[in-house]
Amino acid sequence: GESVGLHLPTLSVQEGDNSIINCAYSNSASDYFIWYKQESGKGPQFIIDIRSNMDKRQGQRVTVLLNKTVKHLSLQIAATQPGDSAVYFCADARSGNTPLVFGKGTRLSVIA
Amino acid sequence: GAGVSQSPSNKVTEKGKDVELRCDPISGHTALYWYRQSLGQGLEFLIYFQGNSAPDKSGLPSDRFSAERTGGSVSTLTIQRTQQEDSAVYLCASSLKWDRTYFSGNTIYFGEGSWLTVV
Repeated sequence: GESVGLHLPTLSVQEGDNSIINCAYSNSASDYFIWYKQESGKGPQFIIDIRSNMDKRQGQRVTVLLNKTVKHLSLQIAATQPGDSAVYFCADARSGNTPLVFGKGTRLSVIA
Repeated sequence: GAGVSQSPSNKVTEKGKDVELRCDPISGHTALYWYRQSLGQGLEFLIYFQGNSAPDKSGLPSDRFSAERTGGSVSTLTIQRTQQEDSAVYLCASSLKWDRTYFSGNTIYFGEGSWLTVV
C-alpha cells in the first residue's frame, strides 16, 4: 500500500553543523507534507509544512525541500543545537482519507 | 485544559486483561484522533472522530480494539484481551476539524501519550 518512509533511522551531528533528514513517499497524488518533531516522552509537534506547488519552504533555522519527480522531501536544520535532539517524522496529510500518514521517523542526536 | 490530556500516562497490564485509555481533547476541537506508536516505529493511525459523524475505524488492527467518544468530547480507547504486541505508546490528538482539502499541519495537537506495556 501507499506509505511514507525515511532513509535513515538515526543521525548524529555535531553541535553547530547542519542536519539533513530525508523522507521518501510513494503516493504520487500526495500534495501536502508536514514535518513533526517528537521529543522524548512527548507527542509530535509541528515544525513546518509544504504543499506540492512549492519545492522549498523556509522557517526559522529549518528548510524543507520537496522533489516531486523522485517523490522525496528533506528537512534541513541549520546550526543544529542540543535542543534539536528528537525524533523527526514526515507525514503525508492527503494520502487517501487517512488523517496523516507518518513515516517511521529519524532520531537526531546532537553531539556537544 | 490548555492541551490534549491523556491518562494513564503509563500502564502495565497482564496479557489477557482489558485496558482503557482516556483522551481529553482541547476544548472546542471537534476532531479527535488515536494513533499507536510501537517502539522504533512511526505513528500508526487507528481511528478518528469528527463531530457527531460515525468514526473512521479503518485503522483499528483487530476487533479487540474499540473506541468511543461521549458527548463529542472525551474519548476512550479500549483494548480487550491484551496481547504483548499491543505494547506501544497510544497517542491522542485533536483539531478543530479534519478536512482533507484544507487541513493544515499546525492545527493538530498531540497529547503526551499513554505508554502501555503488556506482560
